[in-house]
Amino acid sequence: SQTIHQWPATLVQPVGSPLSLECTVEGTSNPNLYWYRQAAGRGLQLLFYSVGIGQISSEVPQNLSASRPQDRQFILSSKKLLLSDSGFYLCAWSIKGFQPQHFGDGTRLSIL
Amino acid sequence: AQKITQTQPGMFVQEKEAVTLDCTYDTSDQSYGLFWYKQPSSGEMIFLIYQGSYDEQNATEGRYSLNFQKARKSANLVISASQLGDSAMYFCAMRRPDTGRRALTFGSGTRLQVQP
Repeated sequence: SQTIHQWPATLVQPVGSPLSLECTVEGTSNPNLYWYRQAAGRGLQLLFYSVGIGQISSEVPQNLSASRPQDRQFILSSKKLLLSDSGFYLCAWSIKGFQPQHFGDGTRLSIL
Repeated sequence: AQKITQTQPGMFVQEKEAVTLDCTYDTSDQSYGLFWYKQPSSGEMIFLIYQGSYDEQNATEGRYSLNFQKARKSANLVISASQLGDSAMYFCAMRRPDTGRRALTFGSGTRLQVQP
């Protein structure tokens, strides 16, 4: 069966520090991969999605980036974190077609 | 642009009773899919149920069913025989056509509290 791993679960970082969140999927190949962010008490906002290695589509983030160096690995990065980057970050995957997305357990990021 | 609206920020229900969580949507897409997710306090998003726009039958999955009214653009989630473990945030979502129907647009969610 397929599983998704996301780490770390919790992260506290100072403003201006770099960020790297990692997500890996097991048990499937060539999945669609997604990064979402959730502000407290709100719905999820799409940050990036990827349909294949090296193929990244970006939404709104200005100082966040994503990379997909391997088929089942998706990385969210920043060179310099802002206070506004605080939130709950969720990675998700889906197979091709109109199938549901399945989410990792999330990373709670606090910026001090 | 697509929009998902969940008008109930919070709902209470007695254990063992049924509850309906409302979701309305707006899309110009002819073919679309609607999803419901549950988010417990621990944070993970759990897929509950899916309804395709061309599905003739309302989707059901155990105690979850989806009351799909296409003309009214509503896709309400019905939870029968509520349990204490059903207390969580519930999100309605639909695929975004501008992402090739890959990514999801989410509503703002409904917090359900099941009371003993």
